Amino acid sequence: GAVVSQHPSRVICKSGTSVKIECRSLDFQATTMFWYRQFPKKSLMLMATSNEGSKATYEQGVEKDKFLINHASLTLSTLTVTSAHPEDSSFYICRVIPRREGRSYNEQFFGPGTRLTVL
Amino acid sequence: RKEVEQDPGPFNVPEGATVAFNCTYSNSASQSFFWYRQDCRKEPKLLMSVYSSGNEDGRFTAQLNRASQYISLLIRDSKLSDSATYLCAAKLYNQGGKLIFGQGTELSVKP
Repeated sequence: GAVVSQHPSRVICKSGTSVKIECRSLDFQATTMFWYRQFPKKSLMLMATSNEGSKATYEQGVEKDKFLINHASLTLSTLTVTSAHPEDSSFYICRVIPRREGRSYNEQFFGPGTRLTVL
Repeated sequence: RKEVEQDPGPFNVPEGATVAFNCTYSNSASQSFFWYRQDCRKEPKLLMSVYSSGNEDGRFTAQLNRASQYISLLIRDSKLSDSATYLCAAKLYNQGGKLIFGQGTELSVKP
């Protein structure tokens, strides 16, 4: 079964609204969560790295005030797209690194993605 | 220059063909490498890790050349079900598991 969930899986909103996307690890605690964005026919672009209890680290060119990341617990990170515009329409995917001792970074732990459409 | 670059696609091949994907990386601090498969509107799925000695998993063979900063994926006897986008990825050393992806190459296997 899925070990990482994202909610919602799909969202359509009006321009100017804010959208919150949740990424949850279901059967393990997560040291680190990464947020990616993917435009149609393009690659996954890393947006930010989220560590529990500390501020997220954003990649160059990603506006931290536009994309708010909160990693409040070891199983949940949220990405809020503030004042969304049509150009923010994209596929947002989280990737999770488990904290469990003895487990190394496992590249398989991706969330199923959230498709955002801003009208 | 992008950190990870892939061959542009799409690749359209007949069933049974052998197809090769190539990828170069610019950051010599890249620690490990992977090939992912991504189906339309889905998250990427790990296909295989790539080792310097080369590794094979059934019809799939991956190679890494650290001197040339180059990785490859070979698919033999391609099946219709292999149609997908293939992405290479590099994990950077000492950056908390950060994974950087290439732009992906779309493969379409035709009957």
